[in-house]
Amino acid sequence: GENVEQHPSTLSVQEGDSAVIKCTYSDSASNYFPWYKQELGKRPQLIIDIRSNVGEKKDQRIAVTLNKTAKHFSLHITETQPEDSAVYFCAARKGGGSQGNLIFGKGTKLSVKP
Amino acid sequence: EAGVAQSPRYKIIEKRQSVAFWCNPISGHATLYWYQQILGQGPKLLIQFQNNGVVDDSQLPKDRFSAERLKGVDSTLKIQPAKLEDSAVYLCASSLGLREWQFFGPGTRLTVL
Repeated sequence: GENVEQHPSTLSVQEGDSAVIKCTYSDSASNYFPWYKQELGKRPQLIIDIRSNVGEKKDQRIAVTLNKTAKHFSLHITETQPEDSAVYFCAARKGGGSQGNLIFGKGTKLSVKP
Repeated sequence: EAGVAQSPRYKIIEKRQSVAFWCNPISGHATLYWYQQILGQGPKLLIQFQNNGVVDDSQLPKDRFSAERLKGVDSTLKIQPAKLEDSAVYLCASSLGLREWQFFGPGTRLTVL
């Protein structure tokens, strides 16, 4: 089955710097890759996603890139702000019969220091 | 637009007791998911419904966990009997369909003593 690895597990940056979180997946049939932000004690919230027919997608300070050949995708946050501090999860949607299932990475705890 | 609703928000039980969680998805969302999120980990899918049918329950510990969505709207997840390792946040999510964005509810934090 699909396996999603996420690195790093923790990331600390200064306000204004960029942050990059990387994920790899194992199932080449996976075709959808969302990113979720989860603040302490709250629900995961979708912040950006990318489908396999696109190499890059940007939304203001957040961008996601996908390399299908290498089976990895990354989240880029520019001009980080303290409110970006949270745990970020990447996920991949399995291909095959179980459509819609998301396999999540273990998360990256991002701390943005003012 | 109302989001995914879950209750209770918190539950503390002793091992071997039973517990049930309730989820009301976003109106019109055909697909409903139950996830288990253990502290420090990503959510893990337990079961997925499409309307009132089960699409995937391969990771549901069926000897103690059960779930239903009888009328294709609300869903309940039950654990009977609970074990210490069941302590986690149980998240419900819904989407319009199988390939659509998933929206999460606030979760139920279960503590098994």
